[in-house]
Amino acid sequence: QKEVEQNSGPLSVPEGAIASLNCTYSDRGSQSFFWYRQYSGKSPELIMFIYSNGDKEDGRFTAQLNKASQYVSLLIRDSQPSDSATYLCAAGGGADGLTFGKGTHLIIQP
Amino acid sequence: DAMVIQNPRYQVTQFGKPVTLSCSQTLNHNVMYWYQQKSSQAPKLLFHYYDKDFNNEADTPDNFQSRRPNTSFCFLDIRSPGLGDAAMYLCATSRGGDQPQHFGDGTRLSIL
Repeated sequence: QKEVEQNSGPLSVPEGAIASLNCTYSDRGSQSFFWYRQYSGKSPELIMFIYSNGDKEDGRFTAQLNKASQYVSLLIRDSQPSDSATYLCAAGGGADGLTFGKGTHLIIQP
Repeated sequence: DAMVIQNPRYQVTQFGKPVTLSCSQTLNHNVMYWYQQKSSQAPKLLFHYYDKDFNNEADTPDNFQSRRPNTSFCFLDIRSPGLGDAAMYLCATSRGGDQPQHFGDGTRLSIL
């Protein structure tokens, strides 16, 4: 069974610092990896996606992928209180939907 | 703006009374998905359509059905809702299996 594991947190980070979120996945056949942000009571919002080993940067966000270790991470630089949310990691491969982790609850302390 | 629209945002139904949730998209994506998400849990895939091809997850209860009459619309039918079916139902679309999925705002279903 495909699984995506995340630390549920809460992860507390001071405003302006770097928040580091991690996840691991079980299916070596997974080819695509996504980070979604979900505010309480709202739907998931796509933040980043990555397909290849290495880093991918978009503004304050950097996604990192290590397929050998089956490990995906998201770095948020210059954290803002508005970044406080649950961050869902998801893995996909083929025609099926994504396998989501349960999410990490991130709190940015002003 | 191109988007995924779910209606209604909130739905209250009685135990055992059929309910239909709707989703429409202006993204012209091939694939449409229905997820169920309960509090503090990961979204759980119920089924998806790749164009007209229907794919049911093995553990999706028979109580849940879906229809996709055309590219733009997809419906989730719950034939006899039980208390355990209270959840947020999320519709998502994508161009294909490995492409990013874009979610609607969700429908929060309550069962009385």
